Amino acid sequence: GESVGLHLPTLSVQEGDNSIINCAYSNSASDYFIWYKQESGKGPQFIIDIRSNMDKRQGQRVTVLLNKTVKHLSLQIAATQPGDSAVYFCAENRQRINKFYFGSGTKLNVKP
Amino acid sequence: DVKVTQSSRYLVKRTGEKVFLECVQDMDHENMFWYRQDPGLGLRLIYFSYDVKMKEKGDIPEGYSVSREKKERFSLILESASTNQTSMYLCASMNPSGLTDTQYFGPGTRLTVL
Repeated sequence: GESVGLHLPTLSVQEGDNSIINCAYSNSASDYFIWYKQESGKGPQFIIDIRSNMDKRQGQRVTVLLNKTVKHLSLQIAATQPGDSAVYFCAENRQRINKFYFGSGTKLNVKP
Repeated sequence: DVKVTQSSRYLVKRTGEKVFLECVQDMDHENMFWYRQDPGLGLRLIYFSYDVKMKEKGDIPEGYSVSREKKERFSLILESASTNQTSMYLCASMNPSGLTDTQYFGPGTRLTVL
């Protein structure tokens, strides 16, 4: 079946270090990917997106890498801060249809 | 900024009750969605709507219905609440003709069915 999943359920990093959160997807037809951040008690918040015609996209302190060969997506957070502590999950969209598929999430703990 | 609001942050209902969850977006988005979020399962699509009075079943529509009488408002209805519907419910909206295909989420409603 089709799935969007994350390699690690929990990631702990030291404040100031870089964080890498991974996501695997199984459908090669997926052409749009989003990373969301969800803080405790809040709804998911858009971080960054990438289309399948790109392999890298950068935002403010965040970079998303897409490897279509192995169907892998990663989110890199530079100089991780306590405010980055949250659950991060990826979502994929297939050919602009109105259905997104979401991973279950990785919890990022930032240690002071 | 896009704003998606949900009528309640926390809700406690009894088995068999009819439950209404309301969602309002202020960006004139065409598409609206209802998800439930459970630990370890991620977000699962219940229903979505791509226009007023239009609706499509998602992956887990059983036990739910929806209503979209106005463009900005999308309601989720539990006709007869059951304990297995205890969950976090998230509403989202998007504009499919916009620059991005991003869905914007509300803060969520945590529903407990006793």
